[in-house]
Amino acid sequence: KNQVEQSPQSLIILEGKNCTLQCNYTVSPFSNLRWYKQDTGRGPVSLTIMTFSENTKSNGRYTATLDADTKQSSLHITASQLSDSASYICVVSEDDYKLSFGAGTTVTVRA
Amino acid sequence: GAVVSQHPSRVICKSGTSVKIECRSLDFQATTMFWYRQFPKQSLMLMATSNEGSKATYEQGVEKDKFLINHASLTLSTLTVTSAHPEDSSFYICSASRPAEGTYEQYFGPGTRLTVT
Repeated sequence: KNQVEQSPQSLIILEGKNCTLQCNYTVSPFSNLRWYKQDTGRGPVSLTIMTFSENTKSNGRYTATLDADTKQSSLHITASQLSDSASYICVVSEDDYKLSFGAGTTVTVRA
Repeated sequence: GAVVSQHPSRVICKSGTSVKIECRSLDFQATTMFWYRQFPKQSLMLMATSNEGSKATYEQGVEKDKFLINHASLTLSTLTVTSAHPEDSSFYICSASRPAEGTYEQYFGPGTRLTVT
């Protein structure tokens, strides 16, 4: 069964600090890996999409990395802001349509 | 661009009634739309894949007669929860797919919170 495991389940950080979220997957075949941000009570919003050949991709203060050999990805948030408080979901795609979702990491940024 | 809307955002209904949720792609045409449900603190679970003009493909364990999906146009898909029960209470999210960065990106709607009393 294709799985996407995220860690930690939740974390609390102080405003201005950095944090890194982890994602391990067993999805095969692999098409691409996506990170989404989901605010409470809202739908997910795409942060990054990475294909097999990409090792890193940035979107503002968000930087995602991918090691397709070890099937690991990370999402680094730099200089966190209160608005970064959300659930971050790692999603691995087998093809253009079939997505496997992680359970998400809930990030709480405190002033 | 790539905005997906859902209506209503919240709905409360009585057990046994039916509820219709609309999903619209506002600024692009989507040949494929998806319906998910999400329970608290859990990941999204795909319910069905909907292609314009054809019958939806339901995931294993999802009752097609209970969750009716209609994809009548390239910008509109609807999910009708029939004879709703309290266990159907959940957060329902749709997404619409279009090409992006060499693959197909799914753009998610804001979700609909369904509460069945």
